[in-house]
Amino acid sequence: AQKVTQAQTEISVVEKEDVTLDCVYETRDTTYYLFWYKQPPSGELVFLIRRNSFDEQNEISGRYSWNFQKSTSSFNFTITASQVVDSAVYFCALRLYGGSQGNLIFGKGTKLSVKP
Amino acid sequence: NAGVTQTPKFQVLKTGQSMTLQCAQDMNHEYMSWYRQDPGMGLRLIHYSVGAGITDQGEVPNGYNVSRSTTEDFPLRLLSAAPSQTSVYFCASSYAGGPGNEQFFGPGTRLTVL
Repeated sequence: AQKVTQAQTEISVVEKEDVTLDCVYETRDTTYYLFWYKQPPSGELVFLIRRNSFDEQNEISGRYSWNFQKSTSSFNFTITASQVVDSAVYFCALRLYGGSQGNLIFGKGTKLSVKP
Repeated sequence: NAGVTQTPKFQVLKTGQSMTLQCAQDMNHEYMSWYRQDPGMGLRLIHYSVGAGITDQGEVPNGYNVSRSTTEDFPLRLLSAAPSQTSVYFCASSYAGGPGNEQFFGPGTRLTVL
């Protein structure tokens, strides 16, 4: 069975701290994609990144970086020098090939609060 | 492009009432899905469609009905609303052909069943 686990339910940091959001996934498929979404207090879902199972290169986008390790089935997300605007719920998700597996399997989310 | 649109944004129902949540996309996407979001549960798949005339159940389909008569529209019907269906509902769409295609989400419908 496929599953995504975000063990951190809530994280609170002070502005400018670095923070890492953990994501561990389970699947027997060898080909899949992983995603991160942000849900700010306004409620919409904002796509952040996708990574396919064959590409283990880390990705950096501004203050955001992602560490994908197939050996530990993890796809962790780090925010450097956090800002109040980063306060949101962050979801990690898995997507497989074909049919019902074409849909996203979400983790339960991590609520990040960044205090000034 | 309007992207994925959902109506209404908010709805309050009484137990036993029925209603339809509307979802439309103008990107010619084959895949469309409905998810519900409950506190502490993430998003869970209700129903999905891989094209006009083709629908299937997701993880939590009970109490919901869908149909897909056109590529653009994918309405979700609550047959007899129950308090357990109080949730935020998101519609999503994407191209078919592989899981790397980004799923685009609508703004959500917040439903309360009294």
